[in-house]
Amino acid sequence: QKEVEQDPGPLSVPEGAIVSLNCTYSNSAFQYFMWYRQYSRKGPELLMYTYSSGNKEDGRFTAQVDKSSKYISLFIRDSQPSDSATYLCAMGLDTGGFKTIFGAGTRLFVKA
Amino acid sequence: ETGVTQTPRHLVMGMTNKKSLKCEQHLGHNAMYWYKQSAKKPLELMFVYSLEERVENNSVPSRFSPECPNSSHLFLHLHTLQPEDSALYLCARSQRGGGEGYTFGSGTRLTVV
Repeated sequence: QKEVEQDPGPLSVPEGAIVSLNCTYSNSAFQYFMWYRQYSRKGPELLMYTYSSGNKEDGRFTAQVDKSSKYISLFIRDSQPSDSATYLCAMGLDTGGFKTIFGAGTRLFVKA
Repeated sequence: ETGVTQTPRHLVMGMTNKKSLKCEQHLGHNAMYWYKQSAKKPLELMFVYSLEERVENNSVPSRFSPECPNSSHLFLHLHTLQPEDSALYLCARSQRGGGEGYTFGSGTRLTVV
């Protein structure tokens, strides 16, 4: 079983839709949860960072962590064509371990 | 720009060549990283340097050789690569252990022919 599972997509939605991106994981020791956005020909860019369980909101983006289900989500409201990118989930054990485990990424297309 | 600069952006090399990838950052850091990104696969951690000392070598073949001469520069030296080494190579830095997120460069797209 992979440590982190992420549906590769592609996911295609119309402009203005609510997008839900998800990852499941197997290691209950993960404490830090992140979402990165990667545009074509660019490196990943940190979007959201969450410690432990709960929700975090930043503009149109909401990150949710459910540690009891080992499930994390990223919601994008009022999606825009500029949101078209690959979204990577990532999680880490602690800040001293230097290891972050990444999902393979979900490719998102937002159609105008 | 992210503050992490990688050169070259694209590299095509033969299997017998020797080349180097360069990463430069002036953001301050606790750790710097090399990652390999292949199509439809998760990022693979290759090497970690903390305060210019290598702390992680993730079972990477010896044809990849990292170097961290100072806190602002990181190199990945390449020799006698294989076609399966073709990938996007990403440099990243983090303030602490990476649990609070990385800053990535744009990567070097490497093609081995």
